[in-house]
Amino acid sequence: QQQVKQSPQSLIVQKGGIPIINCAYENTAFDYFPWYQQFPGKGPALLIAIRPDVSEKKEGRFTISFNKSAKQFSLHIMDSQPGDSATYFCAAFTGRRALTFGSGTRLQVQP
Amino acid sequence: DAGVIQSPRHEVTEMGQEVTLRCKPISGHDYLFWYRQTMMRGLELLIYFNNNVPIDDSGMPEDRFSAKMPNASFSTLKIQPSEPRDSAVYFCASSPVRAGDGYTFGSGTRLTVV
Repeated sequence: QQQVKQSPQSLIVQKGGIPIINCAYENTAFDYFPWYQQFPGKGPALLIAIRPDVSEKKEGRFTISFNKSAKQFSLHIMDSQPGDSATYFCAAFTGRRALTFGSGTRLQVQP
Repeated sequence: DAGVIQSPRHEVTEMGQEVTLRCKPISGHDYLFWYRQTMMRGLELLIYFNNNVPIDDSGMPEDRFSAKMPNASFSTLKIQPSEPRDSAVYFCASSPVRAGDGYTFGSGTRLTVV
């Protein structure tokens, strides 16, 4: 019930491409879905987040798409750059517990 | 604001030894979380505190692990005795609110048990 399943495990795209990372959850009590970005040697940092009452949220080149009925959400990175190379984690939150994270996606954007 | 401060950054120890990881949360943050990161399992919640009181320790792997928060500015995660399978990066995070946003992570402690 508390799991968040994330795919793919790793992803390689060319500069300018649009990497897409997908997550799925089971627990309908989750009500907040953030994405975290982690660079090597650093802790994860909040990138963008969405609540289930909206289907899409954009911040700069980063977009979250949310499908409540399918219990799925995804991160799209428009016009990806080598500086976007990092590990990305989806997460989900319900007031009863702390953030539950997906397993992470290692993204490499090639020049 | 110095952020969440963790020490040491790296720790190499022999199997069977006691290991203590330390965390200083951001001042004013009432919530403190310990997570463990491995390639196989990603980021796993070990335990979290609210106002220095442990709220959920269901993620602590076994009795070899213990965590304390003696005051609002300091927490420790202790492993005794350590085993090679404990090798991972351990993160501390703090938050001013109970909601899912507002988590600030430290830079982590990379633990290697040989």
